[in-house]
Amino acid sequence: DTGVSQDPRHKITKRGQNVTFRCDPISEHNRLYWYRQTLGQGPEFLTYFQNEAQLEKSRLLSNRFSAERPKGSFSTLEIQRTEQGDSAMYLCASSLDGGGANVLTFGAGSRLTVL
Amino acid sequence: AQKVTQAQTEISVVEKEDVTLDCVYETRDTTYYLFWYKQPPSGELVFLIRRNSFDEQNEISGRYSWNFQKSTSSFNFTITASQVVDSAVYFCALSAIKAAGNKLTFGGGTRVLVKP
Repeated sequence: DTGVSQDPRHKITKRGQNVTFRCDPISEHNRLYWYRQTLGQGPEFLTYFQNEAQLEKSRLLSNRFSAERPKGSFSTLEIQRTEQGDSAMYLCASSLDGGGANVLTFGAGSRLTVL
Repeated sequence: AQKVTQAQTEISVVEKEDVTLDCVYETRDTTYYLFWYKQPPSGELVFLIRRNSFDEQNEISGRYSWNFQKSTSSFNFTITASQVVDSAVYFCALSAIKAAGNKLTFGGGTRVLVKP
């Protein structure tokens, strides 16, 4: 088990471009989460999946953001028409099912810089 | 709504000093879990501890100890005899047991700098 993998680790893009991040969770984990962390702040919840179903989305997730987990394994987070305010670290985490007790295992994150 | 507050934004200590990180939380849920995560410069959040709201026993793990006081809604974290490798940002987080998805609400973090 190699933990949660995220790709790319860094992305620099121009305003208005689309970007996509990929997350590979721990294989036996059926829950997958996306968080966003801006400089000097704690991570903020964006969305989560139970297997392939997207069960909750934060109000932070504008209509320019879309996340998928097509086969219940890896997930992608796409940001369309990027804005400078989208610059942040995008963190992926996974966990087993089971309510509030389960520990989330985080990836190293994908840092987005929008010029 | 849930809220986690870490009032200390940055703490600087000299190696071997003890350092205590404060965490105060708000929740309407009667059952919940509290967590501490460490984020070293590499960026990956590392799980340190989880406590449930029914268990107010303090816990010690090596140089780390935690003080959970439900009466004051606090879950403080102490590093004893700090080392340079302890330099990181530490986050306190809360999760409601009955909430769908066990998503975490994080505090703003406390940056700890341990100088040799």
